[in-house]
Amino acid sequence: EDQVTQSPEALRLQEGESSSLNCSYTVSGLRGLFWYRQDPGKGPEFLFTLYSAGEEKEKERLKATLTKKESFLHITAPKPEDSATYLCAVQAGYGGSQGNLIFGKGTKLSVKP
Amino acid sequence: DTGVSQDPRHKITKRGQNVTFRCDPISEHNRLYWYRQTLGQGPEFLTYFQNEAQLEKSRLLSDRFSAERPKGSFSTLEIQRTEQGDSAMYLCASSQSSTGELFFGEGSRLTVL
Repeated sequence: EDQVTQSPEALRLQEGESSSLNCSYTVSGLRGLFWYRQDPGKGPEFLFTLYSAGEEKEKERLKATLTKKESFLHITAPKPEDSATYLCAVQAGYGGSQGNLIFGKGTKLSVKP
Repeated sequence: DTGVSQDPRHKITKRGQNVTFRCDPISEHNRLYWYRQTLGQGPEFLTYFQNEAQLEKSRLLSDRFSAERPKGSFSTLEIQRTEQGDSAMYLCASSQSSTGELFFGEGSRLTVL
């Protein structure tokens, strides 16, 4: 069964304290792995797409990496405005739906000033 | 504002009533998706359209749920005979292709009393 597991469930950091969020996945042929950010009461906002192991993407203080079994979202010198829930999702390739992104439960990040 | 818009943002209803949500996607996007999200969980896929054709429905979408996208523009999601378990955030998203880069609306929160 295709599934996505994110850890930790919650992460509290001090401003400037770098860390990483983990997303491990089991999927029948990975078409793509996606990171989204979700603020309270809002819909998810797309951040990155990763397609193959070894690929990396960067945006401001965020860097996403991908291996054959997991992805990491590295946050360098976070600021309070980075506080949000970060969602990881996968799209299956073999026998999977083109519409069905399988989401993890997310990691709730809090950055204190 | 050229993003995905959803209406209403909040709906409180009594068990057994019918409710309808509307989604207006980004105008040039041909794909439209409905997801459901409950507290502490990631979004769960319900259904998606390519233009006016409904291409896939999740097994989560019981017979009480129906979605339409007449003329391939806006979409409606109707829930008949609502149950307390239907309480959730209903998220609409659109995309221009079959990738997982989805643009989400802010959601319609349903509370069934």
